[in-house]
Formats: sequence, structure tokens, C-alpha cells
Amino acid sequence: NAGVMQNPRHLVRRRGQEARLRCSPMKGHSHVYWYRQLPEEGLKFMVYLQKENIIDESGMPKERFSAEFPKEGPSILRIQQVVRGDSAAYFCASSRSGQGNEKLFFGSGTQLSVL
Amino acid sequence: SQQGEEDPQALSIQEGENATMNCSYKTSINNLQWYRQNSGRGLVHLILIRSNEREKHSGRLRVTLDTSKKSSSLLITASRAADTASYFCATAPENSGGSNYKLTFGKGTLLTVNP
Repeated sequence: NAGVMQNPRHLVRRRGQEARLRCSPMKGHSHVYWYRQLPEEGLKFMVYLQKENIIDESGMPKERFSAEFPKEGPSILRIQQVVRGDSAAYFCASSRSGQGNEKLFFGSGTQLSVL
Repeated sequence: SQQGEEDPQALSIQEGENATMNCSYKTSINNLQWYRQNSGRGLVHLILIRSNEREKHSGRLRVTLDTSKKSSSLLITASRAADTASYFCATAPENSGGSNYKLTFGKGTLLTVNP
């Protein structure tokens, strides 16, 4: 009964490169959420996805960031042309229904370092 | 100060003692949750308290909520070395329709329980 799986755990990129972060939700969960934790900050909501749909991307930067959750396979958070300020821990969470006071289950995160 | 700000930033106690962490927030909430994060791991949901509740218990955990003061406290009784972790409070906004996903996290309290 694997939990939320994120990979890679650590990702190093040079400025201008692309970063792809993957998240496989818990078995039976079809709702995925991405959060970002900048150094010395709390986690901040980025985007909420269901299979093949973006439900709420109000926390996503308008440029360079995109997310998808295809019918098959993991959810992907893509950051194009990374800059040093993108260095952060990116956490994915999942839930079964996205309704009411349902608990979110978090992965261990991907630590992105931009050189 | 930020929404969901924990206090103290760090707390060191001896095994068997009680640990109390506080959280303050600024805007009206639907619910408040506490999470634990062990070093290098994902967040683990501990307890959720709704805005119309004042106190909640779960095992050795006791959470209080004072909406008039916009504050919450987490008490861990009879602490153990395994309780060593960072503890975060997170708030779901009042207009979230009960959906949890758009949580706002504080920066956390680092609790160290010495054996």
C-alpha cells in the first residue's frame, strides 16, 4: 500500500534548463495537489488537478510553470527555463474525492536546486 | 506575520514532558489542521479541527482552537524521542466550501525530544 510517490527526490538544474517533477498518487486517489516550500517559508498551494483536468491553478506562477495529470501515468509539474528563485522543495499530495474535510496525503517531496 | 504562523520556532524538551506549540492565523477559516514532518520525509496529517469546534483529542494529541483570537495550540503529552519532527499548522479558508486543498501552512515548529 504505497503512499504518494514523488521522484526524483533531488533534482539539480542549471539556469535555463527544464525541470520535470513526477508524482504518483496513492492507489485509488484521483485528485492531486502540488505545493511549493521556499527556503524558510511554509508550504504554499500551487495547483489542483484531477485526471486530465486542471481544477485550480491559482497558486501557479503565470509563466514557465505548467502541470498535468494524464489519464495514464503520474502527474507532472514542469518548470521551463528555471531560475535560481525556483529552488525549493516541491510536494505533491493526493486525495480520494477532493470533497469536504478529506485528508490530504503528502509525498516526501522533490528538492529542486538551480545552479 | 503570515497566515498559519507557529510559535515557538524551535522547542527542545526531555522525554516524558509535554510539548505545546501554538499557531496564529489572520483570515477566517473553515478548518485548521496540524501536520508532522520528519526530516527529509513528507508531511503526515495529525488532526483536523473545524471552525465550530474548540477542542479535539487524538491519542496523545490535544488541539484547541480559539477563533476569536485566531489561534490554535497543539499539545503532545508524555513526549517520546520518536516525536522529534517539525510540526506545521495549516488553515483552509472559510470560502473553500469545505474543501481542504488550498491550505496555507506556517513555517513550522521544530520539536526535539531528548531521550
